[in-house]
Amino acid sequence: AQKVTQAQTEISVVEKEDVTLDCVYETRDTTYYLFWYKQPPSGELVFLIRRNSFDEQNEISGRYSWNFQKSTSSFNFTITASQVVDSAVYFCALLDTGTASKLTFGTGTRLQVTL
Amino acid sequence: NAGVTQTPKFQVLKTGQSMTLQCAQDMNHEYMSWYRQDPGMGLRLIHYSVGAGITDQGEVPNGYNVSRSTTEDFPLRLLSAAPSQTSVYFCASSYSPIYYEQYFGPGTRLTVT
Repeated sequence: AQKVTQAQTEISVVEKEDVTLDCVYETRDTTYYLFWYKQPPSGELVFLIRRNSFDEQNEISGRYSWNFQKSTSSFNFTITASQVVDSAVYFCALLDTGTASKLTFGTGTRLQVTL
Repeated sequence: NAGVTQTPKFQVLKTGQSMTLQCAQDMNHEYMSWYRQDPGMGLRLIHYSVGAGITDQGEVPNGYNVSRSTTEDFPLRLLSAAPSQTSVYFCASSYSPIYYEQYFGPGTRLTVT
């Protein structure tokens, strides 16, 4: 069965610090997809990134970057020069083709960015 | 496009009452799903549908029913509410959960007393 572990329950940083959110996954499939979602205090879920298991290239989008490493089953998310607006709960999720319709979420990491 | 809409936003029920949470999308997505979010547990899949007339169970289906008579709508029914069903419920839709991200509705906060 698939599993997603976000060991960091809560992280607090001061604005402009860099912060990395960890995500470790388990799956028996060779083809799978990984996602990150953001849930700001308003409560909605916002899609950030989708990555398939065959694409291990790191990705950068503005202040956000993602490091996918199959060797360690990790898909970590880094925010550079954090801002107060980055304060949210961040969820990592896994979808494997064996159970193609089921997205398995981690328990989330609450990020608090203060001035 | 309104995206994914959910009604109501908040609901309080007494134990044993039944109700239906509404979910609609206007993006012509075939795939729709319901999740519940509980503190410290992330989101867990309740039921999902890959198209009109087709539904299946997720991780935590007990106590909930769904049906999908149209592409647009995917209501979630609580048959006899229990305090354990106090949660925030999210509906999501996608063209395909494999190749596309899921779009989430704003959520319904349900309290069962």
